[in-house]
Amino acid sequence: DIQMTQSPSTLSASVGDRVTITCRASQSVSSWLAWYQQKPGKAPKLLIRKASSLESGVPSRFSGSGSGTEFTLTISSLQSDDFATYYCQQYKTYWTFGQGTKVEIK
Amino acid sequence: EVQLVESGGDLVRPGRSLRLSCTAFGFTFGEYSMAWVRQAPGKGLEWVGFVRHKTSGGTAEYAASVKGRFSISRDDSKSIAYLQMNSLKTEDTGVYYCTRDPDLFPWGQGTLVTVSS
Repeated sequence: DIQMTQSPSTLSASVGDRVTITCRASQSVSSWLAWYQQKPGKAPKLLIRKASSLESGVPSRFSGSGSGTEFTLTISSLQSDDFATYYCQQYKTYWTFGQGTKVEIK
Repeated sequence: EVQLVESGGDLVRPGRSLRLSCTAFGFTFGEYSMAWVRQAPGKGLEWVGFVRHKTSGGTAEYAASVKGRFSISRDDSKSIAYLQMNSLKTEDTGVYYCTRDPDLFPWGQGTLVTVSS
């Protein structure tokens, strides 16, 4: 099974900060990596697929990079609406999610 | 509008069974594989399994945590995917979501399953 490890688990930041979340896979997933945003009581929202392809309607301050086993999600200038939990997901071999990164107000 | 709606969640006793439904709107359901994902209270996302579209055999795959207890099926004539859950355990408690595989979109609003005595 492919394991996904996200870091950090919690991130405290202020509006306007640049934020980076890292996701590592236990074996190569090529570019079959997605990022989601989830707010309390809501379904996950797909932000990025294929490691770096931004979904339609997602603000350009979100970006993804990486391939193989190392990936990052970057928010270039954190906005108030971005305080949420973020998950990475590999979909190369079945699906596995990272444990999540909670972005909270500093 | 492309949409998925889950239903069937309930409070059930350990050891009992429950069937969830995922009804699709706005797309040709039979052309897509469908996945189920769950989330225990206050925890992260966990893949449950998926059912392939008929062109790929219509077979299903499962996470180790549910294999042998859960089964996923589909009725393309009704645009519904089912998650049959047997021998339920307290650790199966959570919100269950469906989505398209490998599109990863859309996601339904989820349906809550509570397994408790």
